Amino acid sequence: DGGITQSPKYLFRKEGQNVTLSCEQNLNHDAMYWYRQDPGQGLRLIYYSQIVNDFQKGDIAEGYSVSREKKESFPLTVTSAQKNPTAFYLCASSMGHTLPEAFFGQGTRLTVV
Amino acid sequence: GDSVTQMEGPVTLSEEAFLTINCTYTATGYPSLFWYVQYPGEGLQLLLKATKADDKGSNKGFEATYRKETTSFHLEKGSAQVSDSAVYFCALSGGGGNYQLIWGAGTKLIIKP
Repeated sequence: DGGITQSPKYLFRKEGQNVTLSCEQNLNHDAMYWYRQDPGQGLRLIYYSQIVNDFQKGDIAEGYSVSREKKESFPLTVTSAQKNPTAFYLCASSMGHTLPEAFFGQGTRLTVV
Repeated sequence: GDSVTQMEGPVTLSEEAFLTINCTYTATGYPSLFWYVQYPGEGLQLLLKATKADDKGSNKGFEATYRKETTSFHLEKGSAQVSDSAVYFCALSGGGGNYQLIWGAGTKLIIKP
């Protein structure tokens, strides 16, 4: 089945540590996105990528980093510079111009302990 | 810039009541419009979409009509079910040739038996 997979579902991080969230898609989508969602809040765009080896900052990129070495993969690293990383992280992908609707993974809940 | 405004939640209804969640937008050009649904602890799922004025998107008993004259895309369902309880997001894409999704803040819907 085609889809978008995020792992892990739950992640715990100690203060000062970097952690990497995985996002893989087999939909052959060009564009991929990372969103952050806080309790009772909407979606805020962290980073997006329209093509391999290229990505752009979204609205809240500070304290995060990404890479896009393969079309299928768009990992997100939450660095120690992110002061309040506890949140629900959502990865999405889309075909871009030809079919803009996004398909989402199941999310990763990150908690700082 | 482009924007989406949704009615504030939570919206609480009794089972079998008529359901409406309002969405209005501001956009240049001719955007596509979407409704997504998010169940607790999960990612977002595309519920329905409309790509041009007067189009009606429909799925699982939900409907929304793209009204360019009122810049609206209200979500409706004739008879709400307890299982419809979720957060609903309205979004647009492609308003000015930019296919990225612009999100509303989300509306939490609670259906009581």
